[in-house]
Amino acid sequence: DGGITQSPKYLFRKEGQNVTLSCEQNLNHDAMYWYRQDPGQGLRLIYYSQIVNDFQKGDIAEGYSVSREKKESFPLTVTSAQKNPTAFYLCASRAGSLLGTQYFGPGTRLTVL
Amino acid sequence: DQQVKQNSPSLSVQEGRISILNCDYTNSMFDYFLWYKKYPAEGPTFLISISSIKDKNEDGRFTVFLNKSAKHLSLHIVPSQPGDSAVYFCAASVNTGNQFYFGTGTSLTVIP
Repeated sequence: DGGITQSPKYLFRKEGQNVTLSCEQNLNHDAMYWYRQDPGQGLRLIYYSQIVNDFQKGDIAEGYSVSREKKESFPLTVTSAQKNPTAFYLCASRAGSLLGTQYFGPGTRLTVL
Repeated sequence: DQQVKQNSPSLSVQEGRISILNCDYTNSMFDYFLWYKKYPAEGPTFLISISSIKDKNEDGRFTVFLNKSAKHLSLHIVPSQPGDSAVYFCAASVNTGNQFYFGTGTSLTVIP
């Protein structure tokens, strides 16, 4: 089946540790995105990538890093510099065509203790 | 600055009645709008979209209306069903761009 997978579903880390969230898609989509969702807030864009080996900062990129070495994969690293990392993280992808809709993965709930 | 706003955090509707969810935006360059449905601890699922060249788009029980002059869109669900209970997000983008802007969501409860 085509889709977007994120793993793990739940992740716990100690404060001060970097952690990498996985996102893989087999939809052959060009663009991929990372969002975070906090209670009572909408989805806020962290980073996005329109093409392999290229990515752009979103509205809240500080404390995060990404890579796009393969079309299918867009991992997000939450670094120790991120002041409030506990959140629900969502990965999405989109075909490169105009009017393409974003499709989301199931999300990863990160809790930093 | 929030470019897409959903001013009603929650809405309750009786089963079988119409649900109307509203969304306002500030950026007149937005020309593509979407609605997503989200259950807790899951990713949003795409529901329906509309391009700015239209003022209405229908898909089964779901209809989205766009009023460009008022910078307002709404999602109508008729008839509402208990399975529609979820958080609904509206989103907007500039067609030539790659960034989507999301509202804060409206939690819909359909009462059986």
